[in-house]
Amino acid sequence: DAGITQSPRYKITETGRQVTLMCHQTWSHSYMFWYRQDLGHGLRLIYYSAAADITDKGEVPDGYVVSRSKTENFPLTLESATRSQTSVYFCASSSLGLTDTQYFGPGTRLTVL
Amino acid sequence: AQSVAQPEDQVNVAEGNPLTVKCTYSVSGNPYLFWYVQYPNRGLQFLLKYITGDNLVKGSYGFEAEFNKSQTSFHLKKPSALVSDSALYFCAVRDANTGNNRKLIWGLGTSLAVNP
Repeated sequence: DAGITQSPRYKITETGRQVTLMCHQTWSHSYMFWYRQDLGHGLRLIYYSAAADITDKGEVPDGYVVSRSKTENFPLTLESATRSQTSVYFCASSSLGLTDTQYFGPGTRLTVL
Repeated sequence: AQSVAQPEDQVNVAEGNPLTVKCTYSVSGNPYLFWYVQYPNRGLQFLLKYITGDNLVKGSYGFEAEFNKSQTSFHLKKPSALVSDSALYFCAVRDANTGNNRKLIWGLGTSLAVNP
């Protein structure tokens, strides 16, 4: 049971390049989330999705794009990477029920030079 | 507005002693409350949650948390700390009255250090 996976685990890129972070879950969870984690800021929600083809902005969506054509995948794209987007990115998923428990992937550490 | 506060950036405790990691919250309706743990270079792992019912919630790895509605708190506790409990702990809340909005509000985290 793979659960929720993220790729790549580590990525170094340059300012201005487009980068896509992948997230895949095997539970058929309806909800998926993208967070970034930075010292002093805790977890901040970038985007989330309630189902395939339904996405919505979180706290810090600027500079990011998401899509969800299939329930199991929720890629996050940085259209033109900036140094301020250097961070650790976590994907999470949760089921449609009331329990709300979110299950997290292992994270992607992104460095923008 | 919904919010979560973890008033201590760091908690230090000796191995074998009881530990408490504090969390207070603010929501307009009934809260759904969660604790997660993050070990170094890992994703967050779910520990326990309060949805309704008994105010004392038991979770993974011997942790428990007590929901106190009058004090709007949900402190995480463990009777006897282990060195392996050293990690970053996050409290999160959602207002039960927000319907299908599944977004959680997260605290900034508390770093727990258990000393041998």
